[in-house]
Amino acid sequence: NAGVTQTPKFQVLKTGQSMTLQCAQDMNHEYMSWYRQDPGMGLRLIHYSVGAGITDQGEVPNGYNVSRSTTEDFPLRLLSAAPSQTSVYFCASSYSTASGNEQYFGPGTRLTVT
Amino acid sequence: AQKVTQAQTEISVVEKEDVTLDCVYETRDTTYYLFWYKQPPSGELVFLIRRNSFDEQNEISGRYSWNFQKSTSSFNFTITASQVVDSAVYFCALFIRGGADGLTFGKGTHLIIQP
Repeated sequence: NAGVTQTPKFQVLKTGQSMTLQCAQDMNHEYMSWYRQDPGMGLRLIHYSVGAGITDQGEVPNGYNVSRSTTEDFPLRLLSAAPSQTSVYFCASSYSTASGNEQYFGPGTRLTVT
Repeated sequence: AQKVTQAQTEISVVEKEDVTLDCVYETRDTTYYLFWYKQPPSGELVFLIRRNSFDEQNEISGRYSWNFQKSTSSFNFTITASQVVDSAVYFCALFIRGGADGLTFGKGTHLIIQP
């Protein structure tokens, strides 16, 4: 199993550009989520999905869109990048939310918006 | 709403010293899970432990041990005989059973082990 994979590992964008961060898992997990990590802030939840076709907002959703057309993939879209979105982005998955299963994290994407 | 507080922003100790990382949480739910993750300089998040709210037994894994006390809403992490490889940022996190809104993380403690 590859676990949770994220691409790209690094990305530099200019203000106003759009891009999609890719996330995939091969563990047949129902639950997937996106976090951002900023210095001194810990990780904060952006969006999450409890299954294909179902998504919802987390703590800091503004400026981001998600979709979940398959169990495996959960891409995060930045429609118009802003410098405030400079961060490290982690995708995570777990079997379900019912029993506090361990969340498996991807390696992260470091995004810089200039 | 739930909250996790890691009051120690940075701790620096000399190798072989014991060190305890504090974690205090807040939640109104009676069923929840607590986690510790390690983030080494390479940046990935490494799962260390999960503990549910009904199991207050302390746990030991090699040089690592965890002390869960519901009475003080704390889930502290101790490294015995620290090593340079333990240098990392450590995060405590809270998960509410059935809650779809993911993990609530503390802001992390940066642990520096000096040789």
